[in-house]
Amino acid sequence: DAKTTQPTSMDCAEGRAANLPCNHSTISGNEYVYWYRQIHSQGPQYIIHGLKNNETNEMASLIITEDRKSSTLILPHATLRDTAVYYCIVRVANFGNEKLTFGTGTRLTIIP
Amino acid sequence: EPEVTQTPSHQVTQMGQEVILRCVPISNHLYFYWYRQILGQKVEFLVSFYNNEISEKSEIFDDQFSVERPDGSNFTLKIRSTKLEDSAMYFCASRSLADTQYFGPGTRLTVL
Repeated sequence: DAKTTQPTSMDCAEGRAANLPCNHSTISGNEYVYWYRQIHSQGPQYIIHGLKNNETNEMASLIITEDRKSSTLILPHATLRDTAVYYCIVRVANFGNEKLTFGTGTRLTIIP
Repeated sequence: EPEVTQTPSHQVTQMGQEVILRCVPISNHLYFYWYRQILGQKVEFLVSFYNNEISEKSEIFDDQFSVERPDGSNFTLKIRSTKLEDSAMYFCASRSLADTQYFGPGTRLTVL
């Protein structure tokens, strides 16, 4: 799986959009970008994933650059409950039993 | 919404004792996983399981570890002779054929 690079930590004011970047310059054509988060030692929680098109769900939006070398997770209206470690993971297509390889992620702190 | 559940939430054991961590995956899921997270460190893959056999295991998953799906609902991780360094959060995850992995809340294992 391609390696990802994320900032160690970020702050965001409550109610504002939180934009979390991820670099994955060695991504292959069949690799998806996944985002998970972990709130205070709870189990990782799936947020969103995409291949090349931008994606949106009830939790977040995922913007993938045209060359697919980087992406941004957007939490549109951050709340205190969004304080967590956010992981950007690149892996092959979502079939089969491929494991997830977690890095150190970005520690996002939402400030009241 | 279906969830992965894990029991117990916290297990304390003496070094050298056997422990069994239990997981109930989401009911229609076919792929099962165990991960662990030592305090302050990354989430690490241990093992994946499909069709009643191990699909992949990491270097961590040595002969002291075993997994089993004893019935149609439970998925267990056994550590035969626990060591101090086995102290960690253990997360179970499951997924269906064309879906992402969903994690349980974890079991905190403390080896004394």
